[in-house]
Amino acid sequence: DAKTTQPPSMDCAEGRAANLPCNHSTISGNEYVYWYRQIHSQGPQYIIHGLKNNETNEMASLIITEDRKSSTLILPHATLRDTAVYYCIVTSGGSYIPTFGRGTSLIVHP
Amino acid sequence: EAGVAQSPRYKIIEKRQSVAFWCNPISGHATLYWYQQILGQGPKLLIQFQNNGVVDDSQLPKDRFSAERLKGVDSTLKIQPAKLEDSAVYLCASSLVRWGQATEAFFGQGTRLTVV
Repeated sequence: DAKTTQPPSMDCAEGRAANLPCNHSTISGNEYVYWYRQIHSQGPQYIIHGLKNNETNEMASLIITEDRKSSTLILPHATLRDTAVYYCIVTSGGSYIPTFGRGTSLIVHP
Repeated sequence: EAGVAQSPRYKIIEKRQSVAFWCNPISGHATLYWYQQILGQGPKLLIQFQNNGVVDDSQLPKDRFSAERLKGVDSTLKIQPAKLEDSAVYLCASSLVRWGQATEAFFGQGTRLTVV
């Protein structure tokens, strides 16, 4: 049972920012938020993770609300290669069972 | 850096036959995971190893699935006998430490199994 809720699909124009939301209202204090993506016919690929603070790396930014009940993954300039299923996962140091939901299918169009 | 290697990439078998999948994790990664991904769904964890010991296999159908991790490195996942509902992509992943301690998992490309 996934502990997160994501919209099943989204679309975005190439070159624009893609903002993917995730609800994790039952998150506990020691649980991290991870984002992975899966391009067709490939294995999932790690994107970013965070605990409380906002995080940024070369791929994306992660914005976590102050109450930690939701987060947003931001792809600042989406390209066609960003078309994939994006998974938001919550996992803790006490539970090592990474559970994937159905994710959000992001389609980036020209 | 070499990634997680899996073989074969594709396998087609008849129901009631047996099949085995092989995974070579990234060098030095103590934790290894096997996932099953049915078409249209997210990956489902089957078993998790820490070195050569099983950490969690609660979702592994033990009447037909088995897995081992020899010497804490390579791993094999076996299905015997296969059923039609076992048709899926089997993904292997590895990480430096147990997931949940702020680290990432690296996935292989998977083995696509079709049971006919």
